[in-house]
Formats: sequence, C-alpha cells, structure tokens
Amino acid sequence: EDKVVQSPLSLVVHEGDTVTLNCSYEVTNFRSLLWYKQEKKAPTFLFMLTSSGIEKKSGRLSSILDKKELFSILNITATQTGDSAVYLCAVLSSNTGKLIFGQGTTLQVKP
Amino acid sequence: EPEVTQTPSHQVTQMGQEVILRCVPISNHLYFYWYRQILGQKVEFLVSFYNNEISEKSEIFDDQFSVERPDGSNFTLKIRSTKLEDSAMYFCASSNRVTGELFFGEGSRLTVL
Repeated sequence: EDKVVQSPLSLVVHEGDTVTLNCSYEVTNFRSLLWYKQEKKAPTFLFMLTSSGIEKKSGRLSSILDKKELFSILNITATQTGDSAVYLCAVLSSNTGKLIFGQGTTLQVKP
Repeated sequence: EPEVTQTPSHQVTQMGQEVILRCVPISNHLYFYWYRQILGQKVEFLVSFYNNEISEKSEIFDDQFSVERPDGSNFTLKIRSTKLEDSAMYFCASSNRVTGELFFGEGSRLTVL
C-alpha cells in the first residue's frame, strides 16, 4: 500500500529558529514530491521536486529530495510567526495525477 | 492570480439528502480533482477527471458519489444520499498537466446531521 509519512507530527519553536520537516514515502509509480502549506483551509503550493539532490529554494524555505532513500526535507530558516501552519507532503503517483498525502506537520512559531 | 474557487464554503444537510459541491477550476487547466479531509485526518484523494471522464477514483468514491463538468467552467461533486461519515472538508483542485502541481480551492465544509 502506498504511504507517505511525515515527522515530527508537531513542532513548537521560537521566532528566528531553523526547522527541518521530514517526509518519507513508499509509493509505486513515483512521479514527484510536493510540499504544501495549509494555514486555514486550502493547501497552498510550495515546491515540487522531481530529481534527487537538487535543492529548491524560495526565500527562507528550501527543500530537497533523495530518491534513493525515499525521503525529502523542508527547511525553514529564521522562522516567523507567519510560518505557523500545517505543512503537507504529498507524492504524485500514477498516470492520473493522484496525490498521496502525509498526515502533516503542525508548526507553531512563538514570538 | 488565477485561483480555484469553490461554493458553498459551508453546507449543513440532513442525512440522506443530496448535496452538490461546485468548483470553478483555473481556466486553462485540463485536469480536475476532488479531495476530502475529515477533521484531524489526512487529505484523501477521491477522484481525478480528464477529458470529460473519470481517470481514477479511490475506494471512498463509491456509487453515492459522482462528478460532472456540465459546462466549460464548472466541475461538480454530487453525493446522492449523504451519510454522517461524509462530513468533511472537500477540496477541488486543478492542474494544467498530469505531472504538474495541483492548485487547490478554499474548500467546502460539509456537515451531515
């Protein structure tokens, strides 16, 4: 059975800290891995990773994929209270665009 | 910036009633999806839709569920006879290619009493 597992499930840090969120997967027909941020309702797209070892970066956020070890990490440096959210990892599988989601990591950044 | 829009934002219904959730995907997108998230649980895939037919559906998507693209802009999810366990947030998503990132709407919260 395909599965995506995220860790930790929740995390509390202070502003300015750096955090690393983990995502491991066992999925047949792997196409790519995506990270989303979910604040109140809609997951908003952060990154899509297809190739191993190539870091994607957007401001203070960065992510990398290891297709050999079947995991990805999402780093957030110099965290701000606005980074507080649930971070979702999802794997795009098969030929139909289906996403398989992990359970999410809830990040709380305290002032 | 183009976005996926969903209506209603919240619907309360009695068990056994039919509900229709509506979505307007991003205009040049060709691939459409419904996902749901029961409170406190993972986001789960329901169905993918391309070229006016279902591409894939999950075990959750049984005979009580159907999808339709009645015109060039709307994409609907119908639940014929709602059950208590259908209470969830339903997300519509769209993509411009099957291997591309999915863009999600704000969701429709369904409460079945």
